[in-house]
Amino acid sequence: EPEVTQTPSHQVTQMGQEVILRCVPISNHLYFYWYRQILGQKVEFLVSFYNNEISEKSEIFDDQFSVERPDGSNFTLKIRSTKLEDSAMYFCASNLRGNSPLHFGNGTRLTVT
Amino acid sequence: GNSVTQMEGPVTLSEEAFLTINCTYTATGYPSLFWYVQYPGEGLQLLLKATKADDKGSNKGFEATYRKETTSFHLEKGSVQVSDSAVYFCALPTGFQKLVFGTGTRLLVSP
Repeated sequence: EPEVTQTPSHQVTQMGQEVILRCVPISNHLYFYWYRQILGQKVEFLVSFYNNEISEKSEIFDDQFSVERPDGSNFTLKIRSTKLEDSAMYFCASNLRGNSPLHFGNGTRLTVT
Repeated sequence: GNSVTQMEGPVTLSEEAFLTINCTYTATGYPSLFWYVQYPGEGLQLLLKATKADDKGSNKGFEATYRKETTSFHLEKGSVQVSDSAVYFCALPTGFQKLVFGTGTRLLVSP
């Protein structure tokens, strides 16, 4: 069964550094998402992306965050200047239609020191 | 906006015990309701869903009934296995493309 793949599985970075989290959604899916889960807290929506633009974003998704689909397969989340509180598990997801079930990747654990 | 409240974990059970994980929701209208599961080292997987009131979602021996009277969607399984050890998330949509999740309940099943 096709799956969403995320790399790396674990990223350690220093505060103030830029990070790029990478995702390859399922190939025929049209909608792409990033969620995050700070340790011990809820899984939170960050952003949705369709037709090469952001369709919705949460208040967490401020100017430090950006998303891009640079080619036909990758979907990336960039954090320009990481803060300690950005440490979390970041999940990529995709679906074929906006209201069909989400398919999640295994996540990237980001640790900011 | 829509929200979901899930029981705290961890829930520790012996194999073959009965499982209930409580989930209640607050929502405008009657949105679809979901349970997702996260096995160790893996991503979130859709376990089951219910799309309207009184619907029962089921998969892999797990069941949950969409109850609008009590605004609940409790997850149940009659006989858990060690392989069911995972974190379980209740979720519902808020807006067109956005899911809101509960905090997750860790289930630990011992042989």
